[in-house]
Amino acid sequence: AQSVTQLGSHVSVSEGALVLLRCNYSSSVPPYLFWYVQYPNQGLQLLLKYTTGATLVKGINGFEAEFKKSETSFHLTKPSAHMSDAAEYFCAVCLYNQGGKLIFGQGTELSVKP
Amino acid sequence: DTGVSQNPRHKITKRGQNVTFRCDPISEHNRLYWYRQTLGQGPEFLTYFQNEAQLEKSRLLSDRFSAERPKGSFSTLEIQRTEQGDSAMYLCASSFRAGDTGELFFGEGSRLTVL
Repeated sequence: AQSVTQLGSHVSVSEGALVLLRCNYSSSVPPYLFWYVQYPNQGLQLLLKYTTGATLVKGINGFEAEFKKSETSFHLTKPSAHMSDAAEYFCAVCLYNQGGKLIFGQGTELSVKP
Repeated sequence: DTGVSQNPRHKITKRGQNVTFRCDPISEHNRLYWYRQTLGQGPEFLTYFQNEAQLEKSRLLSDRFSAERPKGSFSTLEIQRTEQGDSAMYLCASSFRAGDTGELFFGEGSRLTVL
């Protein structure tokens, strides 16, 4: 069965610093991969996704992620953190022909210090 | 607003009572999903519908939980004889089946507190 592991339940960076949130997945076949963001008391919003094609994908708010099949990873990065990036981030996987169901990691809370 | 709508946003109930949550998906979306999220955890899949058919239920969905989508539009999630362990955020999401790419659109959730 597929699963997602997010390394680090809490990451803290300074404003302007690099953001790196780690995600590794376990799947017998290459999955579709997603990053969602959740602000307090709100639903989840899609940041970016990888389905096929180019392994470096760009999303909203300056975030990007790279699919590395050999490392079974899909880490999320942003060159320069902004205070408004403080939120909970979730990595998720979906297998084709499994009803579009997403399996989520446990989440990483990002704090941004001024 | 054409997003996914969930009601009520907050529900406080006493143990043993029944509660029902409603989800109105994006109108052209034929798939609807329910997830449960507890503090500090990622959303956990409960069940999903394609149109009015319930196609999959998680083992997390005990006999006290029932979900319906009678006309393939809105859905309800009912929890009978609530327990304190049911306290969580219940998230609804919808999607349009397009190659099963898994892009789900989430509502803001219904937070349940069982006293």
